[in-house]
Amino acid sequence: DTGVSQDPRHKITKRGQNVTFRCDPISEHNRLYWYRQTLGQGPEFLTYFQNEAQLEKSRLLSDRFSAERPKGSFSTLEIQRTEQGDSAMYLCASSHWTGTLAGPYEQYFGPGTRLTVT
Amino acid sequence: GIQVEQSPPDLILQEGANSTLRCNFSDSVNNLQWFHQNPWGQLINLFYIPSGTKQNGRLSATTVATERYSLLYISSSQTTDSGVYFCAVELTSGSRLTFGEGTQLTVNP
Repeated sequence: DTGVSQDPRHKITKRGQNVTFRCDPISEHNRLYWYRQTLGQGPEFLTYFQNEAQLEKSRLLSDRFSAERPKGSFSTLEIQRTEQGDSAMYLCASSHWTGTLAGPYEQYFGPGTRLTVT
Repeated sequence: GIQVEQSPPDLILQEGANSTLRCNFSDSVNNLQWFHQNPWGQLINLFYIPSGTKQNGRLSATTVATERYSLLYISSSQTTDSGVYFCAVELTSGSRLTFGEGTQLTVNP
């Protein structure tokens, strides 16, 4: 069973350009999460999906950010009009939700996409 | 929102030493996970431990949910244990994780 994969692993872009990242979760996992991590900090939650439905968005997810999971499998995170403050590691995670509160609902992370905005 | 505090922020050890990392959280949680972030940024799952004690080789973890803290023990440390250790908690089952600031561990040969 392969783990969570992310593409690209590194992205350098100029301020004002749009970028899109892709995440492929573990195959049987129906929940998919996006986090952002800046240097020296812990990851911060951005948004998460159950299948194709976006269940929660953080206030960190400004209007320039949009995430989709159109067929309930892979997900994309797009940043429009990038700013230097968007430079960070973008992490994707997945888990398998069975519909009960019992769990366990352990999240597994991909290798991340490191974005540098120049 | 929930606060997660990790201590110490930095820890330097000689190979072979033992260490204890602590994670305090400000509210009752449904889930707690410990991760090791390697130098390439990959978060590696260590433990899923909302309560009780678990062991995996030289690592073990204990969560005392009623007192809102968790401990990660590393015994006979090796240079490959170096990296950042994160504690993350979840208020509602299957929802977002809230991370602490991490403990930067350096193990010298």
